[in-house]
Amino acid sequence: ILNVEQSPQSLHVQEGDSTNFTCSFPSSNFYALHWYRWETAKSPEALFVMTLNGDEKKKGRISATLNTKEGYSYLYIKGSQPEDSATYLCASFGRGSNYKLTFGKGTLLTVNP
Amino acid sequence: NAGVTQTPKFRILKIGQSMTLQCTQDMNHNYMYWYRQDPGMGLKLIYYSVGAGITDKGEVPNGYNVSRSTTEDFPLRLELAAPSQTSVYFCASSYLRDPGTDTQYFGPGTRLTVL
Repeated sequence: ILNVEQSPQSLHVQEGDSTNFTCSFPSSNFYALHWYRWETAKSPEALFVMTLNGDEKKKGRISATLNTKEGYSYLYIKGSQPEDSATYLCASFGRGSNYKLTFGKGTLLTVNP
Repeated sequence: NAGVTQTPKFRILKIGQSMTLQCTQDMNHNYMYWYRQDPGMGLKLIYYSVGAGITDKGEVPNGYNVSRSTTEDFPLRLELAAPSQTSVYFCASSYLRDPGTDTQYFGPGTRLTVL
């Protein structure tokens, strides 16, 4: 994988459902993976930064895992709420990337009340 | 702290016109970045700066110029606007510790249309 890929592109869930989506990134030269939450008409806001294989981070109902050997990260949302509706971006930083984060296209989550 | 501020919020340009997108941060961050976001695409890095007086090209620098005379300000200049530059532009900044793991703080964006 040369680019950062996210799936699915969009997702509709009902309030109370748990959901997850995937970020795939180049495993060679991996240094760090970032997750951002981007609400419509607002700026992207950082959720997590992860560096270690097997790492798991949690913030309230949102958690993320990281597999650096196979090059993927999962973002989980437990008991989705309408306010979780947003685009979730992941970005990979590779060694020697000259300060550049490579962003995926994002997963647009819509939580219906 | 105001964080990262950008002006203007919206702008319509005619082909061939010039403009400067302003970006200011009050967090004393050393790293600053300009991204563009096109529909259905990820954020693409235009230019970045690691400190006052130091700038470098990102993935998509053509048609743009930047300067960094102070720590706080990182303006983006479009010299001859083209329809391909219609996009939403985001400025971001991060601290000095480690560019790989430092969180980037984003401004509210500037929506630019070139007709």
